[in-house]
Amino acid sequence: GAVVSQHPSWVICKSGTSVKIECRSLDFQATTMFWYRQFPKQSLMLMATSNEGSKATYEQGVEKDKFLINHASLTLSTLTVTSAHPEDSSFYICSADGLAGPNYEQYFGPGTRLTVT
Amino acid sequence: GDSVTQMEGPVTLSEEAFLTINCTYTATGYPSLFWYVQYPGEGLQLLLKATKADDKGSNKGFEATYRKETTSFHLEKGSVQVSDSAVYFCALSDRGGGSYIPTFGRGTSLIVHP
Repeated sequence: GAVVSQHPSWVICKSGTSVKIECRSLDFQATTMFWYRQFPKQSLMLMATSNEGSKATYEQGVEKDKFLINHASLTLSTLTVTSAHPEDSSFYICSADGLAGPNYEQYFGPGTRLTVT
Repeated sequence: GDSVTQMEGPVTLSEEAFLTINCTYTATGYPSLFWYVQYPGEGLQLLLKATKADDKGSNKGFEATYRKETTSFHLEKGSVQVSDSAVYFCALSDRGGGSYIPTFGRGTSLIVHP
């Protein structure tokens, strides 16, 4: 089946540094990938949609300059949290749009736990 | 806009009890409906789905039926296990004009005691 991986699975960084999270579709090509943020005991909040080779589309309220998204290939999207602060600590989940039989589905990565100290 | 409403948790059950997690939705079109499960510290996994009215999705003993007349997609399992303890998200997706992006409910935490 379609598998999406994320790396790293968890990261701790100091305030003011930048962190890059990778999202890969392992056995399928994903024209579109999505980045979500999940706060403890809450639902997923869509941050942005990224299409291969073009600029990401950010949801309202998400800072483009803070959360840099690059979708350089059909199997890789990256999210860079720039100048991280403790309030950026969260669980970040990516997903990829892939064809499963006749229909498209979203396949989710395992998530990356970011802790900013 | 589209929305999903789930029952508040946590739902606490004893092993082998019957489970129902209610989910209702609001959508302008004819969405596909999903249940996702998130185990502690992990990402989301698709549990089951239904793409049209009266379809029943099923997986791992869980079932949900797409009820258009009541705009509901309640999740049920006849006999829960401790390993079913997780957070369950109901979602809908209306693929209008491109990639479809699920709209998630808030999630319902299920705790199963031995």
